[in-house]
Amino acid sequence: KNEVEQSPQNLTAQEGEFITINCSYSVGISALHWLQQHPGGGIVSLFMLSSGKKKHGRLIATINIQEKHSSLHITASHPRDSAVYICAVMDRIQGAQKLVFGQGTRLTINP
Amino acid sequence: DAGVIQSPRHEVTEMGQEVTLRCKPISGHNSLFWYRQTMMRGLELLIYFNNNVPIDDSGMPEDRFSAKMPNASFSTLKIQPSEPRDSAVYFCASSLAYYTDTQYFGPGTRLTVL
Repeated sequence: KNEVEQSPQNLTAQEGEFITINCSYSVGISALHWLQQHPGGGIVSLFMLSSGKKKHGRLIATINIQEKHSSLHITASHPRDSAVYICAVMDRIQGAQKLVFGQGTRLTINP
Repeated sequence: DAGVIQSPRHEVTEMGQEVTLRCKPISGHNSLFWYRQTMMRGLELLIYFNNNVPIDDSGMPEDRFSAKMPNASFSTLKIQPSEPRDSAVYFCASSLAYYTDTQYFGPGTRLTVL
C-alpha cells in the first residue's frame, strides 16, 4: 500500500461543477502540500497545510489530522482548472522528514 | 523576481555521457529541492539543501547522481554516467524555509538519454 493515496485517479466534469479530490496517508506528518501540474508540465504549489482549512479564490483545502485525510475542493470549476493535482506529505516518522507524493489526480473540466 | 530558473530546458544525450542540470533558486530562499518525475514513479524527491547544506540525499537513486550547492544562488545535479532509465523531467524548487513554507518550482529540465 502506498503511503499516500489519492482518489479519484481521473475525474472528468462539466464546467461549473463542484470538484473534490481526496488524499489519504498512512504516516504521521507535519505538513501536507497540494500541487497543481498544468498540461504543459509546470508545477505550482497551491497550499501547504498542517491543520484546519485554507482558501484561495475558488480553491479550498482541508485536512483532518486524526483521520489522516485531506481534501481539495474547487468551486465553480472552469476548463482552465484542468490539470493534475498532486498531494504530498512530509513524513515526520522517518528521521530525515522525507516528502512523499501521491500518484496525482487528473482533472478534466469540459466547457 | 524571475522565479526559479533551470537550464537547460531540454537535454538529449547518449548513454554514458555526463549530464549537468542547473538551478538558480529565488533570491532569499534558504531551501532548495531537486525532484524527478517519470510516468512510472511520478514525482520523487532526490535531495534537498538548507542554507546550501545537503540535508537528505536518500532519494538519490545511486552513486551516479550527485548534487552540489556551492552558494545560495546556484545548484547543480550531475549524472555520470547517464543511462536510458535516467530519462525524466527534473524539477528544482526553492522555499523560504525548509518544508514549512510554500515551494516554488522551476519549469523543469526534460532529459532524454538514448
